[in-house]
Amino acid sequence: DTGVSQDPRHKITKRGQNVTFRCDPISEHNRLYWYRQTLGQGPEFLTYFQNEAQLEKSRLLSDRFSAERPKGSFSTLEIQRTEQGDSAMYLCASSLEIGGSDTQYFGPGTRLTVL
Amino acid sequence: AQKVTQAQTEISVVEKEDVTLDCVYETRDTTYYLFWYKQPPSGELVFLIRRNSFDEQNEISGRYSWNFQKSTSSFNFTITASQVVDSAVYFCALSEVDNYGQNFVFGPGTRLSVLP
Repeated sequence: DTGVSQDPRHKITKRGQNVTFRCDPISEHNRLYWYRQTLGQGPEFLTYFQNEAQLEKSRLLSDRFSAERPKGSFSTLEIQRTEQGDSAMYLCASSLEIGGSDTQYFGPGTRLTVL
Repeated sequence: AQKVTQAQTEISVVEKEDVTLDCVYETRDTTYYLFWYKQPPSGELVFLIRRNSFDEQNEISGRYSWNFQKSTSSFNFTITASQVVDSAVYFCALSEVDNYGQNFVFGPGTRLSVLP
């Protein structure tokens, strides 16, 4: 399977704990995006990388969130001191940027439940 | 600021009916891209189409067709002869590219139920 993969698929944690999610993009895709989606809503942009550089981060994103893509391949999203409001589906997408824009292909998501 | 509106929250049709999902967008850019994605009950977003702002030609792919009208800032999606497998949430999205990078905004989605 050469699609975008995410791990874990589900995560249940207690409030105040730290969690880390991983995303493996489609091979050779140079862009990688993180989104959050809550029930009944469209995906909300969090951040994106072009290769290993983090180019943009949502102004709505708390300082408790951090993302890395150290070698320009897989990425991790960490949430520190989780809160119940962080419960959501976290989606990763990758794309190959050509000529200024791209088409994003999404992974299956990681569903986070904060108790 | 960019914005995507999908006024239809939920639509129900009977199998074999045609259905149109509306999408209206706002942008100040002259160069932008529009997308439609499908999110079936399994949850994974599936890419359907990308259209750039300079190409207003309508597109047809099997039972799917898209009508892009810059004059009304709309990018509507029609499913002909709907099938139960078309039941999903459909998202319209807008992408702008500026000096600071790429902005990508999804609409709230339209839940389509196709009844047998």
